[in-house]
Amino acid sequence: DTAVSQTPKYLVTQMGNDKSIKCEQNLGHDTMYWYKQDSKKFLKIMFSYNNKELIINETVPNRFSPKSPDKAHLNLHINSLELGDSAVYFCASSQGSATQYFGPGTRLLVL
Amino acid sequence: TQLLEQSPQFLSIQEGENLTVYCNSSSVFSSLQWYRQEPGEGPVLLVTVVTGGEVKKLKRLTFQFGDARKDSSLHITAAQPGDTGLYLCAGAGNGNKLVFGAGTILRVKS
Repeated sequence: DTAVSQTPKYLVTQMGNDKSIKCEQNLGHDTMYWYKQDSKKFLKIMFSYNNKELIINETVPNRFSPKSPDKAHLNLHINSLELGDSAVYFCASSQGSATQYFGPGTRLLVL
Repeated sequence: TQLLEQSPQFLSIQEGENLTVYCNSSSVFSSLQWYRQEPGEGPVLLVTVVTGGEVKKLKRLTFQFGDARKDSSLHITAAQPGDTGLYLCAGAGNGNKLVFGAGTILRVKS
């Protein structure tokens, strides 16, 4: 069983569209994260949720809206996609501040 | 804002050579983690160092945390082609927030 899974793995879409990516973890962790990795491989945190409550919200455009329906799921909705949103988006989970386990990533390409 | 400077950015070496990757910051971190990421995959944790001056070994990999907990190094002895990948250091800052270095792309040629 995959510990942290993300869907879709690849997402190609037109500028201006709205899209969602989903994350699920079966590790029983209470904290989940969204990271963005740019073309230079730099990994930067976007959001973090603890028990469905938003605890980290970096300076991310408000076109990005995370939602955590329960502590095993964290979704990311992106409105009005821009070219600069093209990146790999990673979900991760942890139990409190312990080790973070990463998903396989969602490769988003905005045309 | 906490920042981690990682160097070198790229490293291409022959099988059997040794190498060291560095992460430096002006900030103190409660712990520092090293990850390895392969193409098409997410980062996978190699080690966490917590105590200033701590040294941890993982087979041919040696990790060191600076005495002041502001810097760390990863040393690989006798590198093998299987070591090829992206190596990332990450410092644990406020709350659960990880601050990542820019990464080192390592290529080991046979």
